[in-house]
Amino acid sequence: EAQVTQNPRYLITVTGKKLTVTCSQNMNHEYMSWYRQDPGLGLRQIYYSMNVEVTDKGDVPEGYKVSRKEKRNFPLILESPSPNQTSLYFCASSANWVDTQYFGPGTRLTVL
Amino acid sequence: KQEVTQIPAALSVPEGENLVLNCSFTDSAIYNLQWFRQDPGKGLTSLLLIQSSQREQTSGRLNASLDKSSGRSTLYIAASQPGDSATYLCAAHTGTASKLTFGTGTRLQVTL
Repeated sequence: EAQVTQNPRYLITVTGKKLTVTCSQNMNHEYMSWYRQDPGLGLRQIYYSMNVEVTDKGDVPEGYKVSRKEKRNFPLILESPSPNQTSLYFCASSANWVDTQYFGPGTRLTVL
Repeated sequence: KQEVTQIPAALSVPEGENLVLNCSFTDSAIYNLQWFRQDPGKGLTSLLLIQSSQREQTSGRLNASLDKSSGRSTLYIAASQPGDSATYLCAAHTGTASKLTFGTGTRLQVTL
């Protein structure tokens, strides 16, 4: 089944404790992206990757890191999480950067 | 900077009614416009993608139109059903890199 998977789905952590949210797609897509969704603000892009080894900042990259060493994986790293990073995070992929994006199920992160 | 607005924020209609959801965008230089559906606690599901050169796209009971010159798109849902209850998001694809700008959504409830 074609899909985008994210892990974990739910995470409660404390300020400053490094964490990684994994994202994997099995559709051989070139393009991958991370978004956060907050009430009243909609979805905002954090980082995106046009293809392997090529990543770039989205609209809200502060406090996040990403890497794209393999085509299928695009982990989101929070080196020192803070409470304002409490949010619902989505990973998405598409065949190319203008094609339909397929979204993962989301990761609900709470930073205390 | 692209801004996408969706009005109304919430809508309740009786089953069987035809309805229209509105989406407006400020920068008409878009590559495409996408409509998504989001169920509570779930990820986004792509419904329709309209290329900038197209006027409309249809899928089953859904019809999306695009008027670039006026910066507007509409999603028409025919013969609404309770299963159509969800939040509907539109997103405009603009810029040289993948800038998918989302609206904040219209929460639709279809009542029996």
